[in-house]
Amino acid sequence: EPEVTQTPSHQVTQMGQEVILRCVPISNHLYFYWYRQILGQKVEFLVSFYNNEISEKSEIFDDQFSVERPDGSNFTLKIRSTKLEDSAMYFCASSLVQASNQPQHFGDGTRLSIL
Amino acid sequence: QKEVEQNSGPLSVPEGAIASLNCTYSDRGSQSFFWYRQYSGKSPELIMSIYSNGDKEDGRFTAQLNKASQYVSLLIRDSQPSDSATYLCAVGGSQGNLIFGKGTKLSVKP
Repeated sequence: EPEVTQTPSHQVTQMGQEVILRCVPISNHLYFYWYRQILGQKVEFLVSFYNNEISEKSEIFDDQFSVERPDGSNFTLKIRSTKLEDSAMYFCASSLVQASNQPQHFGDGTRLSIL
Repeated sequence: QKEVEQNSGPLSVPEGAIASLNCTYSDRGSQSFFWYRQYSGKSPELIMSIYSNGDKEDGRFTAQLNKASQYVSLLIRDSQPSDSATYLCAVGGSQGNLIFGKGTKLSVKP
């Protein structure tokens, strides 16, 4: 069964540094998402992306964050000048279409630890 | 602010019993509802989706939706120790994003 893949599985970074989290969505999916989950808390929506542009973003997704689809397969989340509170699991998801009734399939996540 | 509420548990049931997980949501206009299972340290895994009032069955799992009461539930029949996980209720947002509850931790005792 096709799946969403994310790299790296664990990223450790010094506070203030930039990180790039990578995702390869399911190949025929057109809509891509990033979510994060701080330890012990709920999964929170960050951003959705379609046709090479952001379609929706949450209040969390401020100027510190950016997303990009640099080629036909990868979808990246960049966090500039990381802060301690950015430590979380970051999940990429994809869906075939963007509609509230379409299931989203999640990758295994990247655990980001900011020191 | 759209909210999804779940009892955090833990909910403990003996092996073979029925586990009942509940969820309420604040946005009366919500149209799509999902249950995900999340093992510790892992990603959410889709179990069920439901869009219409009533019951939807898939194997040992039954999702129930009552839009008038803004209530969705998940029943797990013949619970197994491998069902022990956190169950996340998610509601589809207007822009295709998912709004998650905090999850209910289920423990199935052998």
